[in-house]
Amino acid sequence: GQQVKQSSPSLTVQEGGILILNCDYENDMFDYFAWYKKYPDNSPTLLISVRSNVDKREDGRFTVFLNKSGKHFSLHITASQPEDTAVYLCAAGHGGNNKLTFGQGTVLSVIP
Amino acid sequence: ETAVFQTPNYHVTQVGNEVSFNCKQTLGHDTMYWYKQDSKKLLKIMFSYNNKQLIVNETVPRRFSPQSSDKAHLNLRIKSVEPEDSAVYLCASSAGLGVYEQYFGPGTRLTVL
Repeated sequence: GQQVKQSSPSLTVQEGGILILNCDYENDMFDYFAWYKKYPDNSPTLLISVRSNVDKREDGRFTVFLNKSGKHFSLHITASQPEDTAVYLCAAGHGGNNKLTFGQGTVLSVIP
Repeated sequence: ETAVFQTPNYHVTQVGNEVSFNCKQTLGHDTMYWYKQDSKKLLKIMFSYNNKQLIVNETVPRRFSPQSSDKAHLNLRIKSVEPEDSAVYLCASSAGLGVYEQYFGPGTRLTVL
């Protein structure tokens, strides 16, 4: 089965709004959690990440929340902008081999 | 320019042919990866190398074989391609073991007719 799952295939929000992207995982050995952003015909780029020893990390308009007991992490985006329109991929990893397991992505559309 | 480079961008071939994809990173990283992005857009790790050593080998068909001449290069060869091999193949690199942040190349789109 898929170890990392994103509950929403797509999401639409009005410009300026707050949005939350969710990711659930199965493997409680994961100790690294990340969100990647991907524009059409471009490669994924790291947006924000967190290790399992913290439950929140903020970087500007982007915040990742980690709920280890619930095997869940989320990405909060405030003051959304049209340039936030992209595919957002969550990923989790563990161990020393840097192996990342990705979710299937959420297509986000921010409407002006 | 420092980045992850892949060639070719696209490749169309017939069932049974052999294909090779190249990946080079100029970031000075030790670790490189091959991912497959299928028709459902799911990104799955296939292989990873650290300093030319294979460290991750997921369950992929034996017709796939990675090749690393040095830590800046990781190529992927597919012998006798099948229709289900049609996908986008993404190469990535990271600074080293224990450093999860990965930088991706633009991908190679393979179409098997």
